[in-house]
Amino acid sequence: NAGVMQNPRHLVRRRGQEARLRCSPMKGHSHVYWYRQLPEEGLKFMVYLQKENIIDESGMPKERFSAEFPKEGPSILRIQQVVRGDSAAYFCASSTVVKLSDTQYFGPGTRLTVL
Amino acid sequence: KNEVEQSPQNLTAQEGEFITINCSYSVGISALHWLQQHPGGGIVSLFMLSSGKKKHGRLIATINIQEKHSSLHITASHPRDSAVYICAVSKTSYDKVIFGPGTSLSVIP
Repeated sequence: NAGVMQNPRHLVRRRGQEARLRCSPMKGHSHVYWYRQLPEEGLKFMVYLQKENIIDESGMPKERFSAEFPKEGPSILRIQQVVRGDSAAYFCASSTVVKLSDTQYFGPGTRLTVL
Repeated sequence: KNEVEQSPQNLTAQEGEFITINCSYSVGISALHWLQQHPGGGIVSLFMLSSGKKKHGRLIATINIQEKHSSLHITASHPRDSAVYICAVSKTSYDKVIFGPGTSLSVIP
């Protein structure tokens, strides 16, 4: 059973370009979470999705950021018109939510650098 | 005040020492997570606790729900244990996670 997969692992974009980060949850997991770790800062929640639904997006910036988790395929975190302040590590996690004891499993992260 | 606090912020230990990292939180939770992050690396879930104590190898995690406090212990520490250890809480196991600031551990041979 492969773990949570994220790609690309490293992404370089120029200011104004779009960044697309992909997350494939563990097999059987239907819940995906996106977290961001800014340089020298701790991890912060961004968004929680189930298949085709956004459950909680309270941590998402109101502009330029969007997330989806379609019925088929990976979850996508999309950042439009990137700025230098978007440079960070973006982590995805997934869980089953079958049992309350099920934990979240983290992916390796995508490190976004905006030039 | 942060909802999740950790102490110490930085910790240096000699190989073989017993290490304790503390976490306190101010929100009502049903799940507390201990995570490990190596420099430039991904995040590994070490434990998820809702009560009592869990042990995995040289790692032990305890939680006191009434006192809103958890500890992560590492016995017989080794240089490969050097990493940032992050305490995080969630209202349920599938709710968003609120992270502490992390404790940076360095174990010297």
